[in-house]
Amino acid sequence: QVQLKESGPGLVQPSQTLSLTCTVSGFSLTSYNVHWVRQPPGKGLEWMGRMRYNGDTSYNSALKSRLSISRDTSKNQVFLKMNSLQTDDTGTYYCTRAGRWTIPFFDYWGQGVMVTVSS
Amino acid sequence: DIQMTQSPSSMSVSLGDTVTITCRASQDVGIYVNWFQQKPGKSPRRMIYRATNLADGVPSRFSGSRSGSDYSLTISSLESEDVADYHCLQYDEYPPTFGAGTKLELK
Repeated sequence: QVQLKESGPGLVQPSQTLSLTCTVSGFSLTSYNVHWVRQPPGKGLEWMGRMRYNGDTSYNSALKSRLSISRDTSKNQVFLKMNSLQTDDTGTYYCTRAGRWTIPFFDYWGQGVMVTVSS
Repeated sequence: DIQMTQSPSSMSVSLGDTVTITCRASQDVGIYVNWFQQKPGKSPRRMIYRATNLADGVPSRFSGSRSGSDYSLTISSLESEDVADYHCLQYDEYPPTFGAGTKLELK
């Protein structure tokens, strides 16, 4: 069955770099796009960026200067790296999938990983 | 970026109520709107896709509709398990953008 699972450190110091991994199963990274979405505590959802099935990437313009998404198809993993973290980057980070041509879109999500930015 | 203006931000509800949540898109997004349910500490769950289609396993008391640039999620005969946060999403144009969310609370 389709599964996505995020992993990474729960605590990051300000100005440091966040590294997260999304490990997928039940589908191929060369057939689906994987997106990253985050949610500050008690707030709404924000799209961060995506890794397309063909290896292309797209980023939220507000995060583009700090964000990088990559993948290892042999390990079924998509990676997120974001530098210069600040306290308002605290929140839960999710990976989710979408079909090549928007069908389906965000049908499966990981359980999320809570990231706290604090010294 | 396309703005999805979601209302209300919160709603006090009773079991058995019919509840309607609305998102207004700042420009045409066609049918490319999804609705998600999110319970505390859980991931979003897709409830409605392409504005009006019920996702697999979602009870039939949930429905989605569109009128122009207004998109609505309706829950008929609210059950206790429906008390949650709800989010709309447009994915017609990048970046995908979410509404601010609606929190349902029991009276």
